[in-house]
Amino acid sequence: ETGVTQTPRHLVMGMTNKKSLKCEQHLGHNAMYWYKQSAKKPLELMFVYNFKEQTENNSVPSRFSPECPNSSHLFLHLHTLQPEDSALYLCASSGGAYNEQFFGPGTRLTVL
Amino acid sequence: RKEVEQDPGPFNVPEGATVAFNCTYSNSASQSFFWYRQDCRKEPKLLMSVYSSGNEDGRFTAQLNRASQYISLLIRDSKLSDSATYLCVVNGPQGNLIFGKGTKLSVKP
Repeated sequence: ETGVTQTPRHLVMGMTNKKSLKCEQHLGHNAMYWYKQSAKKPLELMFVYNFKEQTENNSVPSRFSPECPNSSHLFLHLHTLQPEDSALYLCASSGGAYNEQFFGPGTRLTVL
Repeated sequence: RKEVEQDPGPFNVPEGATVAFNCTYSNSASQSFFWYRQDCRKEPKLLMSVYSSGNEDGRFTAQLNRASQYISLLIRDSKLSDSATYLCVVNGPQGNLIFGKGTKLSVKP
């Protein structure tokens, strides 16, 4: 499936590293999302972008920094993370806020 | 009432069984309703939208009761491949989708 792609699929990083997660959608959607899913926990919405503008930030720590250069691309910049930030990070896109969302395969992040 | 609340599960059923999942939501103005499935260590995938009149897709039937703010998913003739976590999804006051915690289904031979 090529609808929503994410890279890398797996990432191991130390607490002092800086890394970025990338998401790309090929569906012509206007909205993109970052979610966090920790082991055996529900999805947690992190950020929402509509037409490249951030419309929602769910009290996410500043060590997570999103960037949306255009409607097709979304980045999540990571720096000085904590071990409890280890989780599956999922990107999604939709045609609008009320529409169904399509998810990428996720990046499984481990912070040592 | 929580924004989206689902049966806690897990549901353990034999192949061929019929199983029903329930979900309640708190926002009476919600307009969008979906069921997603999520396999272990995979991303959620859209199973079906839920329409006011109820809708069916093969072995899957979704129902919506706006008055009770209640959604259901019925799976008939369960297959081993139906084993997954089923997520109830409803749009919140700002429009964005809210995902329930999910109900785990395990279909046994």
